[in-house]
This record gives sequence, C-alpha cells and structure tokens, in this order.
Amino acid sequence: AQTVTQSQPEMSVQEAETVTLSCTYDTSESDYYLFWYKQPPSRQMILVIRQEAYKQQNATENRFSVNFQKAAKSFSLKISDSQLGDAAMYFCASGNYQLIWGAGTKLIIKP
Amino acid sequence: GAVVSQHPSWVICKSGTSVKIECRSLDFQATTMFWYRQFPKQSLMLMATSNEGSKATYEQGVEKDKFLINHASLTLSTLTVTSAHPEDSSFYICSATLHTTTNGQYFGPGTRLTVT
Repeated sequence: AQTVTQSQPEMSVQEAETVTLSCTYDTSESDYYLFWYKQPPSRQMILVIRQEAYKQQNATENRFSVNFQKAAKSFSLKISDSQLGDAAMYFCASGNYQLIWGAGTKLIIKP
Repeated sequence: GAVVSQHPSWVICKSGTSVKIECRSLDFQATTMFWYRQFPKQSLMLMATSNEGSKATYEQGVEKDKFLINHASLTLSTLTVTSAHPEDSSFYICSATLHTTTNGQYFGPGTRLTVT
C-alpha cells in the first residue's frame, strides 16, 4: 500500500528563522509527483510546492524549498525566514492521479 | 487561475433530510474532481473520485447510496448527503484537476455540514 508519513505532529519556529518539515513516502509508482499543501485556520488548502519525481533538481518557490531524496523516499520542506502567516497545518502528498496524504504537521510561528 | 468554488460554505440540516454541496471549477475545465472529508485535526480522507459524464468511484467504506456524486459537466460536481445523520457532520472539501495530477489538485474552500 502506498503511504505518506509525517513524523512531526507539531513544530514551532521563531519568526524569521528556518524550519524543516519531514515527509517520507512509499510508492510502487514509477512516475509520480510530490506536493506540500498548507491549510491555514480558514481551512482552504493551498498548494505550496510540487516536485516531479523524475527530476533530480529540488523545487523552490521563494522562501519554500524541498529536499527530495528519491532513493530514501524522503521529501522535506524547508521554510526560510518564517513569517507569522506561515502558521498552518502542512500536508505532504504523493501520487500521480489520486493523492495519498500524510497526517499533517502543525506549524507554530513564535513572534 | 485554477479557482474552485464550493457552495454552501456551511449548512445546518435536520436529521433525515438531504443536503447538496456544489463544487465548481471557475476558470478551467476539470476532467476529474475529488471529494474529501476531513475530521477535526485530521488529514483529508478521500471519499470518491468523479469523472465528467461517468459514475463516481467510491473509496472502500464510503456508502455510495448515502453520498451521491454527480459530475454532469466539466465545471460542476455535486455531492448529496442523503438521509443525513449527526455522524455525517463534518468538513467536506472538493478538489479539481486537469487530466493528471501533474500540477496538483485545486481545492475548494470546503463546506462545514452540521446535522442536528
């Protein structure tokens, strides 16, 4: 069975600091994509960043970047210069059609 | 671009009645829409996958006669909770995507259903 594991139920970081959220996955697909979604208190799911598994280069989007280790099936999210607006639940997901979701990590930003 | 709307944003209904939730892709044609349920402080649980013009595919354990899904056009999918009971109270989220999940799924804002 395909699985996505987020081992950190909650993380906290000081404003302006850097934080890394962990995600590991297991899939039998040869062609798949990996995503990080953010769910703020409004509960609107927002795509943060995506990675094509066939690409070795790590994806980046402004302050957000990933460390994709395909052999280790690891896909961590690094948030630089953390801002108060980054406070949210972060979900890691893997798939090619349907997505398999991790349990989520609650990110707290300390002012 | 890639905006998905959901209506209503919240609804309260009495036990035994039915309620319909609409999911619309506003600026693109969605070949596939997904319906999720989310319990408090939990992840998304996929209920069903809906393709335009065909019957929805339900996940194991989801009652298809209770959660009726219709995907009549490339921009509209509806979820009808029939004979609702208090245990159906939850947050329901739809998402839409183009042919594959290459660019990710685009999510509606969700619908909070409370059954009294």
